[in-house]
This record gives sequence, structure tokens and C-alpha cells, in this order.
Amino acid sequence: GAGVSQSPSNKVTEKGKDVELRCDPISGHTALYWYRQSLGQGLEFLIYFQGNSAPDKSGLPSDRFSAERTGGSVSTLTIQRTQQEDSAVYLCASRHDWTRDTQYFGPGTRLTVL
Amino acid sequence: AQTVTQSQPEMSVQEAETVTLSCTYDTSESDYYLFWYKQPPSRQMILVIRQEAYKQQNATENRFSVNFQKAAKSFSLKISDSQLGDAAMYFCAYRSAVYNQGGKLIFGQGTELSVKP
Repeated sequence: GAGVSQSPSNKVTEKGKDVELRCDPISGHTALYWYRQSLGQGLEFLIYFQGNSAPDKSGLPSDRFSAERTGGSVSTLTIQRTQQEDSAVYLCASRHDWTRDTQYFGPGTRLTVL
Repeated sequence: AQTVTQSQPEMSVQEAETVTLSCTYDTSESDYYLFWYKQPPSRQMILVIRQEAYKQQNATENRFSVNFQKAAKSFSLKISDSQLGDAAMYFCAYRSAVYNQGGKLIFGQGTELSVKP
């Protein structure tokens, strides 16, 4: 079946603008994760959604970052008032449920803030 | 907090030879999972192999195998008969088995593997 998809593939924006990054997880997967991959910080966890539970936002770097997951499926990561240090690849991953622990990753969105 | 360390930023191997990538981790937990992911230039993270900490037997997947040393907190990846398609960034990752940790992955810094023809 289809894997995790993300859009856009690349996004260039100006400092101070808001951006939205989208993730479509594998159908039926109850868990969804966002990670950020940057040169300075490596791969870091941002946020986690599991079913209807409150999301784990412990990895979000600032209050400019937020995410939602609608209908237990598609997720949107929003970055407000982008800064140059937000430039990174944003990866989304989904997992079927707690008992099947493998996370499947999307191809990522490369965000460049000018 | 758990940490994962990959001390080899770059490695190189001749095609058809064997190479071992190193990974160490730090945790106070007794139950957890360890993974090796491969990231080619396409950015797509691909699971290579996984290991459950409570299993003493080392995981193997075709040409890929691990040497899991729980007491030493070491989890190395061995790639046998290296192929040009193995060239990629390899990440070691840790995942707690504690439910309220959410299953998030903690990654090492990565090792860039090049394969010479």
C-alpha cells in the first residue's frame, strides 16, 4: 500500500512568514510523529500523536511551532514567524500501534528560511 | 534522559567487503528497542534492522546483522558483502518500551557510509 507522504517536498519562505507542512500517514496507523533534521541539531523529536489522546508536545522548540492531526489521519505542522534557524528537513513518521513498533518515515519537507 | 552516540561521522568500504558501524547508548531502562535506519540522498528513512533489548540473540536481516552488547550498551551494525546501494547515512536509534514515553525515537548523529567500486 501507499507509504507516508509529505507535502510540499521543498518550501522556501521569507523570515517572519508562517508555513504549513503536511503529512499523510499510512492508512490505519494510529501513531504519528514529527521529527526535525538539521545540521546543527541532528535528528530530533518534535511531537507525537496517538489516537485520540492528547499529543506529546515535549519536543517542540518554541511556541511558534504547533501541530494538529485531524480525524486521526492527516497532520499539519505549522511554524509561525519563521526564523532562519527553522531551516531544516521536517520528517513525519507513522506507526500502526503500540504493539507494532516500527515507524515508517515519509520523504520529508526541506524548509529554507531566507 | 537517554542518549545515542555514533562516534564515526564517516566510514568507507570497498564493494563486497564487510564494514561495521558503531553505536553506543546510555539509558537506565532495562527494556527498550534499538534500530538502525538508512537514509539515502532521497531523504527517505528506511528501517534496516531492529533489536529488542530483552532478546539476547542478535538480529539479522540478510547481509545486515547487529552485535548487541546490553551490558556495554553497545549496538553495532555489520554490513557484509557491501554493495554500491548501501551508500547512505546510517542512524542508530533508541526507543523506550515505557508506554508513556510514546515510542519516540532518539537518534545518534549518523554515520555517512561510502562504498568504493
